[in-house]
Amino acid sequence: QVQLVESGGGVVQPGRSLRLSCAASGFTFSSHAMHWVRQAPGKGLEWVALISYDGSNKRYADSVKGRFTISRDNSKNTLYLQMNSLRVEDTAVYYCAKAGGGSSLRIESWGQGTLVTVSS
Amino acid sequence: DIQMTQSPSSLSASVGDRVTITCQASQDISNYLNWYQQKPGKAPNLLIYDASNLKTGVPSRFSGSGSGTDFTFTISSLQPEDIATYYCQHYDNLPPTFGQGTRLEIK
Repeated sequence: QVQLVESGGGVVQPGRSLRLSCAASGFTFSSHAMHWVRQAPGKGLEWVALISYDGSNKRYADSVKGRFTISRDNSKNTLYLQMNSLRVEDTAVYYCAKAGGGSSLRIESWGQGTLVTVSS
Repeated sequence: DIQMTQSPSSLSASVGDRVTITCQASQDISNYLNWYQQKPGKAPNLLIYDASNLKTGVPSRFSGSGSGTDFTFTISSLQPEDIATYYCQHYDNLPPTFGQGTRLEIK
């Protein structure tokens, strides 16, 4: 049973930083690409970032490029999202998600999400 | 970026009705399309992958079809527990964009 448990969300002032974590279990974490996807309150879903199974390849949405960094520790089965220079428009529920089906782009499982609120 | 246009944005139907949602991609995405169900306060849940493949454990009243740019998601007989917002999402290339969602309500 795939389990993805996000943590690290909270209230932060604009311009500050926050690091999200996602603890994975129930599958071979080191074999799968992973994503972060976010959802602003009452809005739709927005892809944020992708990391390859071994961490060698990382890609970002234009809206977070240069501010957010995705990383992983395969020895700890954990995915991270370092968020710097946060803006009010970064307020959202952040989901980690597992890729599968032989494609790094195909999202097949999601965590329950963690809420990040950027406000002064 | 590939734009995914979903319609309708909201839909009201009765229990037992057949419900259809469409998703149009701004360019050919082959069959690289997921359909998700999201209930309030919950994470999205994958129902259909590769445009027409039902994820294991998902009820057979859900189905998907299409390829290229035009896709359809169908609930053959609406049940009360199907009340949710449904999203399509392509994974042909980066970024993997989502449709704007279809909110399904019971009439």
